This record gives sequence, structure tokens and C-alpha cells, in this order.
Amino acid sequence: QKEVEQDPGPLSVPEGAIVSLNCTYSNSAFQYFMWYRQYSRKGPELLMYTYSSGNKEDGRFTAQVDKSSKYISLFIRDSQPSDSATYLCAMMPTGNQFYFGTGTSLTVIP
Amino acid sequence: DGGITQSPKYLFRKEGQNVTLSCEQNLNHDAMYWYRQDPGQGLRLIYYSQIVNDFQKGDIAEGYSVSREKKESFPLTVTSAQKNPTAFYLCASSAEQGWSPLHFGNGTRLTVT
Repeated sequence: QKEVEQDPGPLSVPEGAIVSLNCTYSNSAFQYFMWYRQYSRKGPELLMYTYSSGNKEDGRFTAQVDKSSKYISLFIRDSQPSDSATYLCAMMPTGNQFYFGTGTSLTVIP
Repeated sequence: DGGITQSPKYLFRKEGQNVTLSCEQNLNHDAMYWYRQDPGQGLRLIYYSQIVNDFQKGDIAEGYSVSREKKESFPLTVTSAQKNPTAFYLCASSAEQGWSPLHFGNGTRLTVT
């Protein structure tokens, strides 16, 4: 079983829709949770990061962590065509080893 | 602007040749990492370094080598011993003071024929 599971999609939504992206994990020691956005042929760009459980909001993006269920989510409100990308979740326990999901491909249709 | 610069963006080599990928950061980060990204497999750690003149193997270090002579630089050499070197290579760094997330460069696409 992989440490981090992420549905690869692809996910296709109309412009303006609310998008929900999710990852599950098996290691209860994970403390830090990150979401990255990756455009084609580019490096991943850090979108948001959170520590432990709870919600964090930044503009149209909300990151949610439920440690009891070992489940994290990224919500994108009022999705735009420019949000079309692959979204990677990442997490880590204390220390310096990062664990990544395989990414979800999102297309927002104008 | 602070960031991580990877060069070149595209690299083509013949089988049997060693090739070195460049990674430079001006973020004053202590830790640097090399990942390989293949379709459907996510990011896999090749090597990481927490301090100058020290580095550790990641999950797929075989066929790769690194050096960390300066804090800003962490070059990766893909040797002829790497059986399947064609991939997208990503360099990353983190501040390593307490905890901080990874910041990535824009990658080097290596094609070996």
C-alpha cells in the first residue's frame, strides 16, 4: 500500500464550478500537509500548506485536513481555465522526508 | 527574485554517456533535493543534502551521483549505469529551520536515446 493515495483523474469541470481534490494517507505520523500545482512541463508550485488538522483558506483555495480519517482536501471555488493543471498533495512527519501523491489532472472548461 | 534555477530545460544524450544537470538556488536554503518524475508514478527521491559536503541516498539513487560543494548548488550526474534515465528531473530546496515546505525549480527534461 502506498503511503499517499491520490486519484489521478482526469477531472473535467465547467468554469465557475467548485473543485474538490483529495488525498488519503496511511501514516498517522504525518504532521505537515502541502498542495502543489504543476503546469505542463513546469515544476510544482506550492499553493498551500497546513500543520495538523483543520482548515486554511487563501483566496479561492481552501485546504482541509482530517487527521482522524487520514484524509486531506483542496477546494477551489469559482474555478478558472487557468486552474487547469495537475495538483499534487504532499505530506511529511517530523524530519525531512516528503511523501507525494501521484497527482490529479484537472481541466476547467470555459 | 529568489528561486531555484535548473538548467538546461531540455537535454538530449546518447546511451552510455554521463550527463550533469545543474541546480542553483538563491533562497539561502540549507536542504536541497533531487526528484525524478515519471508519468503515473509521482515524485521519487534520488538524493538529498541537508548541509554542504554531506548528502544521503533517496529511494532510487542507483545510477546517479551528486555533490554539494556550495550551499547554493546541488548538481546531479546521471551516469551510464542508470538503466532508464529518460525522465523529468526536479530539484527542490527547503529552509530546514524547524519545518518548511519544498520549493521546486522548473525541471530538466532528459532524453537518452
